[in-house]
Amino acid sequence: GAVVSQHPSRVICKSGTSVKIECRSLDFQATTMFWYRQFPKQSLMLMATSNEGSKATYEQGVEKDKFLINHASLTLSTLTVTSAHPEDSSFYICSASPGAGQGNPDTQYFGPGTRLTVL
Amino acid sequence: SQELEQSPQSLIVQEGKNLTINCTSSKTLYGLYWYKQKYGEGLIFLMMLQKGGEEKSHEKITAKLDEKKQQSSLHITASQPSHAGIYLCGADHAGGTSYGKLTFGQGTILTVHP
Repeated sequence: GAVVSQHPSRVICKSGTSVKIECRSLDFQATTMFWYRQFPKQSLMLMATSNEGSKATYEQGVEKDKFLINHASLTLSTLTVTSAHPEDSSFYICSASPGAGQGNPDTQYFGPGTRLTVL
Repeated sequence: SQELEQSPQSLIVQEGKNLTINCTSSKTLYGLYWYKQKYGEGLIFLMMLQKGGEEKSHEKITAKLDEKKQQSSLHITASQPSHAGIYLCGADHAGGTSYGKLTFGQGTILTVHP
């Protein structure tokens, strides 16, 4: 149980285009999901907290107009990188916690990640 | 300075050897999580520790939380090539005020030679 999927796993796009990444909790509901970014050989940096039914909470230094987050349902959050540039190339990972009554509410489960390359 | 420091940054061991990875927090820990990652892939949850003095084991991996020192250690016994990867510790520094938000250490790259 507690599986999180991401789609796509890999995307290459031209500079200036927008890219949408989906994060789904497959067997549990998640009122809160998290989006992280990881540069090569570096740790994960939290970008934002995605809240179902309300606006996302962004970490300091993360442009909310650049990285649009929509938590459409209890099992789906999307991250859209708008007007992508080569410096946005990175590995994006989402995570979610099952919440009370759905297994271990304190454990965050991570998706497999999406590698974005902007040419 | 880092809120969460991992050491060592990389480790190369011979198969069968024991090893320890440390994670030290500069803030109070409400929860400490250990994950394993293979390069370019997602994180695999290993263990979560919440109480001071808590120790958990899964197969040949044991993790302890020393709440007093705000430190956790991950110990692998009789390492195997399958243990190779990046080990990340994640800290809940906020407790109930920001549910689920984690800060990660920089990771430890483990290589196990057969």
